[in-house]
Amino acid sequence: SAVISQKPSRDICQRGTSLTIQCQVDSQVTMMFWYRQQPGQSLTLIATANQGSEATYESGFVIDKFPISRPNLTFSTLTVSNMSPEDSSIYLCSVGAGGAGNQPQHFGDGTRLSIL
Amino acid sequence: AQSVAQPEDQVNVAEGNPLTVKCTYSVSGNPYLFWYVQYPNRGLQFLLKYITGDNLVKGSYGFEAEFNKSQTSFHLKKPSALVSDSALYFCAVRDTVRSGGYQKVTFGTGTKLQVIP
Repeated sequence: SAVISQKPSRDICQRGTSLTIQCQVDSQVTMMFWYRQQPGQSLTLIATANQGSEATYESGFVIDKFPISRPNLTFSTLTVSNMSPEDSSIYLCSVGAGGAGNQPQHFGDGTRLSIL
Repeated sequence: AQSVAQPEDQVNVAEGNPLTVKCTYSVSGNPYLFWYVQYPNRGLQFLLKYITGDNLVKGSYGFEAEFNKSQTSFHLKKPSALVSDSALYFCAVRDTVRSGGYQKVTFGTGTKLQVIP
């Protein structure tokens, strides 16, 4: 299974600033996913990132707020822009489960973000 | 549209007792079903999956789950709970009927399992 390294593991940020989260995978993958996990809630898919194309955002998420880069098949970044306290959450990078869809996803350990 | 429900926010069980974490789902076609576990300050880890075949699937750490099509359920079970099993458990479903391009996964809201020594 893929090993995913996510940085930073946690951060405390001031409102109005931006933070870029990095996700590195130990193997080449076609699709990478970014999720948000708010306290007491389920995982919410922010966007799907394919190498060489623009990310596909889910309803309620926009590129200006959550720009994503996918420069190669092993790396992606998610930026949380102009942060507000409502952005305090865990952000998770995930890979896998493409194709027939019967394979599990693999997750990084997440970035725990607090906005003051 | 697909959905998954975990009706219990928290399950408490004594160490050594059997545990059950409930999950029900709704899909248009046949489901692919998954259980994940999340330990503190960690990401989700895959436990087991149901794709087809035997309704009882076995996974990591002694966990198993039973697929029940008539009740649209996929409950997670373990015969004897350990304190180290205390964690957050997520059920997830993927419909085999595609809606647009990629087949997305829907996660439940999670159930916190507390195993009491």
